[in-house]
Amino acid sequence: DGGITQSPKYLFRKEGQNVTLSCEQNLNHDAMYWYRQDPGQGLRLIYYSQIVNDFQKGDIAEGYSVSREKKESFPLTVTSAQKNPTAFYLCASSGGLKSYNEQFFGPGTRLTVL
Amino acid sequence: AQSVSQHNHHVILSEAASLELGCNYSYGGTVNLFWYVQYPGQHLQLLLKYFSGDPLVKGIKGFEAEFIKSKFSFNLRKPSVQWSDTAEYFCAVNDRSGGGADGLTFGKGTHLIIQP
Repeated sequence: DGGITQSPKYLFRKEGQNVTLSCEQNLNHDAMYWYRQDPGQGLRLIYYSQIVNDFQKGDIAEGYSVSREKKESFPLTVTSAQKNPTAFYLCASSGGLKSYNEQFFGPGTRLTVL
Repeated sequence: AQSVSQHNHHVILSEAASLELGCNYSYGGTVNLFWYVQYPGQHLQLLLKYFSGDPLVKGIKGFEAEFIKSKFSFNLRKPSVQWSDTAEYFCAVNDRSGGGADGLTFGKGTHLIIQP
């Protein structure tokens, strides 16, 4: 059953702590993405990766970091430098360069900073 | 930088009414256009997409959208809505010159409520 999994579904952290959100896909997609969704703001791009071992900053990368060591995995770390980390985080994947395919989204992780 | 504007943040309709949700984007180059839907408690999923060709595209569940290049618009339509269409709708765009693998720029969304 192909798709994108994100874990955990809910995550709580204290201020000043780093936290890593998991994203795994078994769609054999080259490209992966992280978005942040806030009420009334739509989705905003944090980071994306078109191929393994390469990634680019999106519109709101400050306070976040990523890695892409494997094709199927694209973890996002929310660092203590992120000033307003409470949000719903969505991971997506697509076929990649020249594929012009849609992006498929995971179920999301809701992060709350206490 | 690209931006996407969705005209209505909240829309309330009765069942069987016709729907049109506006979407305009600001980018002078060649773009790919999408409408995504987020039903309550479910994943964001694709309704329809436009890459090239016929500017009138049909999607799932009876939705369609028309790309009007001169107006930078990609409005979503459905002739007769159902209660099950209650959801959040997002218009999105990316730059085709990026090979189609760049991230998407989303509008802020339209929350649609269908009253039975």
